[in-house]
Parts: sequence; structure tokens; C-alpha cells
Amino acid sequence: GAGVSQTPSNKVTEKGKYVELRCDPISGHTALYWYRQSLGQGPEFLIYFQGTGAADDSGLPNDRFFAVRPEGSVSTLKIQRTERGDSAVYLCASSLTARQGHTGELFFGEGSRLTVL
Amino acid sequence: KNEVEQSPQNLTAQEGEFITINCSYSVGISALHWLQQHPGGGIVSLFMLSSGKKKHGRLIATINIQEKHSSLHITASHPRDSAVYICAVRRIQGAQKLVFGQGTRLTINP
Repeated sequence: GAGVSQTPSNKVTEKGKYVELRCDPISGHTALYWYRQSLGQGPEFLIYFQGTGAADDSGLPNDRFFAVRPEGSVSTLKIQRTERGDSAVYLCASSLTARQGHTGELFFGEGSRLTVL
Repeated sequence: KNEVEQSPQNLTAQEGEFITINCSYSVGISALHWLQQHPGGGIVSLFMLSSGKKKHGRLIATINIQEKHSSLHITASHPRDSAVYICAVRRIQGAQKLVFGQGTRLTINP
């Protein structure tokens, strides 16, 4: 597609359940980012992929959160044993790789709104 | 203290007014982004700056690297400019990760 696509757009689940959120980046973008945005806050970094590997996962809040990008394009963010505090909009962005002296413009998806009851 | 601070947090103005939103940061950066987020909508990149000034239509963004400060200006503001404007910096260290400000909620009344 032309832009970054995220599914589902809305997900309501019960506390303790497992959730997967999907991001389909712009074709050819090697860099992929996951962010989380709580109501009234700016986005908070979760994880960054360069190709298939997680280059920086320092933003994942705990080991219930995990993300994969097995073929270097689509990425899935997985949340185990969901808690009410996980409720947020999960944003995905992609870019061409930012290299030394070069910055990559980010293109964001519409986000997946997760509500944990 | 947040690495990226925006001011004001909320701004309400009348249509036609000149708008300024400020962003200060405390780390060395390779680039600064201004982003726009409409209610319930995705985030759109407005500008990416590493020095100087950029203009696109009624929007102008400036950055002063020495003072670690950037401003986003909107001339002849319009109700459709109502959105949250977010400043984000790409650190020199850990350069792939953007650090976001809290955002400035702008409301333009007709």
C-alpha cells in the first residue's frame, strides 16, 4: 500500500489475554518503529527494527511485550497477559534508514487503539 | 525533567492569528521533527530540521542548535489547523530513536 498500515484499528480485550498488533510498513522502508501513546501524552518509544533485527528494544516496558519482524517488512507487536495499564494507542512508523549525516523522515500509521478491560 | 519540553501545552486562538509553538531539548541531536496529530487520527510529519529554517505554505519551522530550541509558526491560522503539534528529536546517541515532547494542543476558533 501507499502508507503504513496497522491492524486492527481498535482492539478491546480482557485483562490477562494475549494480543497481537500488526504493522505493514511502506514498501522498501528498512527501519520500523513501535511507539505507544497514552491519552494526553506524547508517543513513547518501544522498539526499533533495522531489517529483521531489533536494533533497540530499550523502550519495551517489561517482558510481557515482544515484537518480531521475521522477513524485514511486516512487524507484529505481541503483548502477553494484558493489564489495564497497557491501554493506549500503539503507533507504528517506518522510514528509510537514517545513516550518518542523513536523517530518515518518519511515516506513521493510524495506530491501533488497545483497550484492556 | 523530560529531554524534550514543549510550550505551551494548550493554546487557543482566533482564526487569522499568528501562532508560535516552542520546543526546547536538552540532548545533542542530529535532527528535529515537527509532527501534527489530528484528534483520533494518525501522525503526519510536517518538518524535519537539522539547521536553519523551513517553510511549507503557512507553516514555518526554525531551529537554533546552539540554544537547543525550535519554534513552529503558523501564519493566518485557520480552524482546520486545530490539532496536537508534537516536537520530536533524533538524538546523536541512539540516533534511530526519536524522543517526543508531550505535544501542544492547538485550537483555532472561527
